[in-house]
Amino acid sequence: DAGITQSPRHKVTETGTPVTLRCHQTENHRYMYWYRQDPGHGLRLIHYSYGVKDTDKGEVSDGYSVSRSKTEDFLLTLESATSSQTSVYFCAISAGGSYNEQFFGPGTRLTVL
Amino acid sequence: KQEVTQIPAALSVPEGENLVLNCSFTDSAIYNLQWFRQDPGKGLTSLLLIQSSQREQTSGRLNASLDKSSGRSTLYIAASQPGDSATYLCAPWNTGNQFYFGTGTSLTVIP
Repeated sequence: DAGITQSPRHKVTETGTPVTLRCHQTENHRYMYWYRQDPGHGLRLIHYSYGVKDTDKGEVSDGYSVSRSKTEDFLLTLESATSSQTSVYFCAISAGGSYNEQFFGPGTRLTVL
Repeated sequence: KQEVTQIPAALSVPEGENLVLNCSFTDSAIYNLQWFRQDPGKGLTSLLLIQSSQREQTSGRLNASLDKSSGRSTLYIAASQPGDSATYLCAPWNTGNQFYFGTGTSLTVIP
């Protein structure tokens, strides 16, 4: 299995509070991704990173910010959580290049009350 | 934006049957396409990656085919087993370094 961990694995929070999710990899892969998974929508890309301090928006980036200060860590922050951000969040990594196989972490289940 | 459709949404088969899962996508300018399985409450596990220059890729009882020009990929599972029960997702990779996912096919293999 690819060395990807996510923390926390479960979190319950209240509307309006800030939340930070962490993704950590041991593979030294260049690319890291944050997705959310919701019933009926499948997986949707929130943000991704193509290197330290290099990030870009995905399909559903509103209300989220990211940071990558080290190759191994990619943080997702909800500045002020809303109930619509209740979801399962997955981190993924890939090495880049023409092959670029993605590997996923175990996920974080976030509930915003 | 790439649109990915997976048909059928759910499938139930008796053990031992061969089956085909379908994935179609609207933008044929892809670099590769990846198939995943997801067990309930778990992350995604990569099954096969098929590059745009390939037509087929095999791993054990799994065979993925790709027809890039028509925007289609299939995942063939031979001699299905109860342990194959999961949701199967396909994800083409386009320019802009974005992967787009279908909503998956939920497979149940009945012993």
